[in-house]
Amino acid sequence: KAGVTQTPRYLIKTRGQQVTLSCSPISGHRSVSWYQQTPGQGLQFLFEYFSETQRNKGNFPGRFSGRQFSNSRSEMNVSTLELGDSALYLCASSMNRDSGANVLTFGAGSRLTVL
Amino acid sequence: DQQVKQNSPSLSVQEGRISILNCDYTNSMFDYFLWYKKYPAEGPTFLISISSIKDKNEDGRFTVFLNKSAKHLSLHIVPSQPGDSAVYFCAATQVGVSYGKLTFGQGTILTVHP
Repeated sequence: KAGVTQTPRYLIKTRGQQVTLSCSPISGHRSVSWYQQTPGQGLQFLFEYFSETQRNKGNFPGRFSGRQFSNSRSEMNVSTLELGDSALYLCASSMNRDSGANVLTFGAGSRLTVL
Repeated sequence: DQQVKQNSPSLSVQEGRISILNCDYTNSMFDYFLWYKKYPAEGPTFLISISSIKDKNEDGRFTVFLNKSAKHLSLHIVPSQPGDSAVYFCAATQVGVSYGKLTFGQGTILTVHP
């Protein structure tokens, strides 16, 4: 069973540009979440999507957005990049059972460097 | 406001000994707790979890203990192996409410010496 796939793995952008990151969840997983990992802030929740709807959102500015497609694949976009957006962006998927907790399975991440 | 804290940035143990990683939380609404392991250049890998209705959960060499009154959980690894060397994160969530949202601690770097 393939894991969570994130592309690209590494990318370099300059301030003011925008970036789009892609995530393919595990087959059968309908919930996709995004996280930002930085040395100073650790792992921070960005947002979660299920059935193409955003159900939960973290405390990030509106420059951070995402979407989910009908095949559960997801993209996140960061506009007007700032130096502080340099981070590892992690995507995670889960089965989203109706009851009980859902364990997140993470991808390897997309390493974004903003110059 | 850091709701999940791992106060030890690093831990060093000898192969074969016990590793104990600690985690404290402040939000009493959390009812499910998880431990993840992370190697460099990889995403976090799920290790073990525990519901707030339990105080202990075991899976092979890994045991997680939960003390709800103290808002404290710990991960025991016995025996420790060099391959266990990684960053360990504890995380917490509210089942059925925090869709996709885990609140993570800052992580503890575990080094297991041969």
